[in-house]
Amino acid sequence: ETGVTQSPTHLIKTRGQQVTLRCSSQSGHNTVSWYQQALGQGPQFIFQYYREEENGRGNFPPRFSGLQFPNYSSELNVNALELDDSALYLCASSFGQGKNTGELFFGEGSRLTVL
Amino acid sequence: GQQLNQSPQSMFIQEGEDVSMNCTSSSIFNTWLWYKQDPGEGPVLLIALYKAGELTSNGRLTAQFGTTRKDSFLNISASIPSDVGIYFCAGQLNPVNNDMRFGAGTRLTVKP
Repeated sequence: ETGVTQSPTHLIKTRGQQVTLRCSSQSGHNTVSWYQQALGQGPQFIFQYYREEENGRGNFPPRFSGLQFPNYSSELNVNALELDDSALYLCASSFGQGKNTGELFFGEGSRLTVL
Repeated sequence: GQQLNQSPQSMFIQEGEDVSMNCTSSSIFNTWLWYKQDPGEGPVLLIALYKAGELTSNGRLTAQFGTTRKDSFLNISASIPSDVGIYFCAGQLNPVNNDMRFGAGTRLTVKP
């Protein structure tokens, strides 16, 4: 069984730039969620993708966008980066049906630093 | 948004001691979950709770879904050094999507 993998693991950008983060979901999982984790905080829900469509969004501006591909992998795109976007970005996969939709399997995250 | 208040923020205990942490909210959740995060890694699911009043164990870990659906606690018995990490509670507002609300975490340190 292949776990959730994310890339890149670390990256540094400057204000105003754009970034794309990638995630491969665990085999057998059809749903991908993205979370932002600031230092010393719990993860915050950005959005979820199910069947290649956004299926729920947290309190994040439109410059945070995503995609899900037919193989269930996903991308998170952030435009016009701001200093406050510096955080660990976590991808989580799950099986999007039944009572256990909240049982998330997280990747190790992509740590983004915005200078 | 709906906030989860997790306490304590940190704990320093001796190996072998029992640990208790809890999470409260002003909102009702359908599902409560507990995750553990080690440095440099993503959170790992420990226990999921689906019904008010439910008490579930996973080895030395026991968690309960409060009867009001607004709180949950996690107990760890006979702590060992590998229990070190940050423990997060999470509440799922809506089973259709994964809009999960996480607490700020309890940082556990276990002294051998």
